Amino acid sequence: EIVLTQSPATLSLSPGERVTLSCRASQSVSRHLAWYQQKPGQVPRLLIYDAFKRATGIPVRFSGSGSGTDFTLTISSLEPEDFAVYYCQQRDIRGTFGPGTKIDIK
Amino acid sequence: DVQLVESGGGLVQPGRSLRLSCTASGFTFGDYSMAWVRQAPGKGLEWVAFIRSTIYGATPESAASLEDRFTISRDDSRGIAYLQMNNLKIDDTGLYYCVREVEGAGEYWGQGTLVTVSS
Repeated sequence: EIVLTQSPATLSLSPGERVTLSCRASQSVSRHLAWYQQKPGQVPRLLIYDAFKRATGIPVRFSGSGSGTDFTLTISSLEPEDFAVYYCQQRDIRGTFGPGTKIDIK
Repeated sequence: DVQLVESGGGLVQPGRSLRLSCTASGFTFGDYSMAWVRQAPGKGLEWVAFIRSTIYGATPESAASLEDRFTISRDDSRGIAYLQMNNLKIDDTGLYYCVREVEGAGEYWGQGTLVTVSS
């Protein structure tokens, strides 16, 4: 099974800051990597798929990069509604999710 | 509008079986891969299974840790995806989401159906 590791586990930030989240796969997943945002009590929301493609309606401040085993999600300037948990997911071989990174307000 | 409505969850004893259904509308069901994702209370997301679209043979795959107990299937004529869960364990408790995929990613999610495994 492909294991995804996300770092850091938690980030405390202020609105307006730039943030980069990391997702590392235990073996190559090519570009088959997606990122999701989940807020408490809500359904996960797809942000990025195929490592860098923004999903429909996702603001341009969200961007993804990487291939193989190392991926990043960047939020160029945090908005108040961006404080949430972020998950990466691979579907190269079956599927797995990372443990998540929580961004909370500093 | 794309809609995914899960049903079939509930309280079940360990060792019993349950079949979840996902009724889809607002799109051509057979054209899309479908998946199930679960989330235990207060925990992260866990990928459960997916089934390819009909044009790719509707072949299913489950998580390695679950494949001996969980099976995904689809009925394109009715627009429904199923998750058959056998020999349920307490750790299977959680909210089960139905997902429509785009390039292997969960583009649309249902609201989920809650499965509680308890004696």
